[in-house]
This record gives sequence, structure tokens and C-alpha cells, in this order.
Amino acid sequence: SYVLTQPPSVSVAPGKTARITCGGNNIESKSVHWYQQMPGQGPVLVIYYNKDRPSGTPERFSGSNSGNTATLTISRVEAGDEADFYCQVWDSGSDHPVFGGGTRLTVL
Amino acid sequence: QVQLQESGPGLVKPSETLSLTCTVSGGSISSYYWNWIRQSPGKGLEWIGDIYYSGSTNYNPSLKSRVTISIDTSKTHFSLNLTSVTAADTAVYYCARLAQGHFKHWGQGTLVTVSS
Repeated sequence: SYVLTQPPSVSVAPGKTARITCGGNNIESKSVHWYQQMPGQGPVLVIYYNKDRPSGTPERFSGSNSGNTATLTISRVEAGDEADFYCQVWDSGSDHPVFGGGTRLTVL
Repeated sequence: QVQLQESGPGLVKPSETLSLTCTVSGGSISSYYWNWIRQSPGKGLEWIGDIYYSGSTNYNPSLKSRVTISIDTSKTHFSLNLTSVTAADTAVYYCARLAQGHFKHWGQGTLVTVSS
């Protein structure tokens, strides 16, 4: 089945820009969705269809998808952004959703 | 606003069956795909399976032999049964609604521990 690869961790200083990648074979042909999971809480959708933000997602969060890599970008990072982030696509080959392994964002 | 709430035993003995229910409120259970997703301690998200309101199901191949998902549209809930559990099935279990390929609505999750 389709495999999504994320870096286990990303660290960034407050006020800087964090970029979290999600790799997959020709991922640009798929719609990528991103979830934020705060410590001890359930996942929350923050980006869908590669770059769209649900109501409630700050404009500092943006997404892109090109080639074999999708990217979640968080601008002007705040301490409150510390969380695990997961990418997800629909694998039409197996007809089920696939999640990346998750990336822990640490704000230094 | 659609809300989902998991319920069920927090402790299950090895070799027994894990049974959970997800109650849907604030919206109709008709239409959409209703999913179970789990997260083992310190690990990532694993999709277990889904059920359409009509009753058709789709399961993760790695769990398919042990999983049954059912739906009760009149009572606005759907359920998960996972048989022959082991310690590896210890996880937080989430129910979620799938729409246009993504999960906008999630339950808060319920921890199920497999232990004697």
C-alpha cells in the first residue's frame, strides 16, 4: 500500500518558520491533509486538500504539494504550536486512508 | 456541529473481544463513512476500518481477520469489535467521520488497555 514518510522531529525557534514534509511517490497526484495533535489530545484537522484551512486554523498555517513531497509550513511559530503533526492521503489503490508516521514539532 | 463520543471498557483481558461504541450527535449518521482509528502509546495513527451508513465496510488488511464494524442508524451510533486481543492492541481508540477523503470530526478518544 501507499507509504507516507515524515521526519520524526522538527525544531524551530519562536518567531521562525517551521516546515514539515510528507514524502510519497508522486504525492502531487493526491490530496494531502494535515492534522495537529497536542499532547494528550486527539488529532485536529488543520489543512485539507493540500492547502485549504478549516475555520479556526490560523493563517500562519499553510500547505503545498509538489512532486514527491507535500509540506506543511507554519510561519511565526509560537510556543503553543508544539505538537505532533500527521499527514494523510486517500490511497485509491487499497481504497483506504493512509497516515504518515508523524512529526513532533519542538519550539526551542 | 457534529460530535462523536467513544464509550466502552477501558480494560480487556488478553484473548477476549474489545468492544467500543461511537455515539454521533449534532448531525445525521446517514451518508458519510464512519471510521475507527487507533494510536498505540507513543506511536502514530493507524486506520482500523470504516462503515458507510448503508452498512458496507472496509477494513485495514492487517486487522481484517479480527475486526467487525457495525452501524445502527436508528440509534445514531456505530460500533467496533476486535477479537482475540493482545497487549499490542493497547491503544487510544478514536472514532471519526470521513468526508471528501479527510477527517474533520473526531471523538476525544478512549484508552483501552489489554491486560490480565
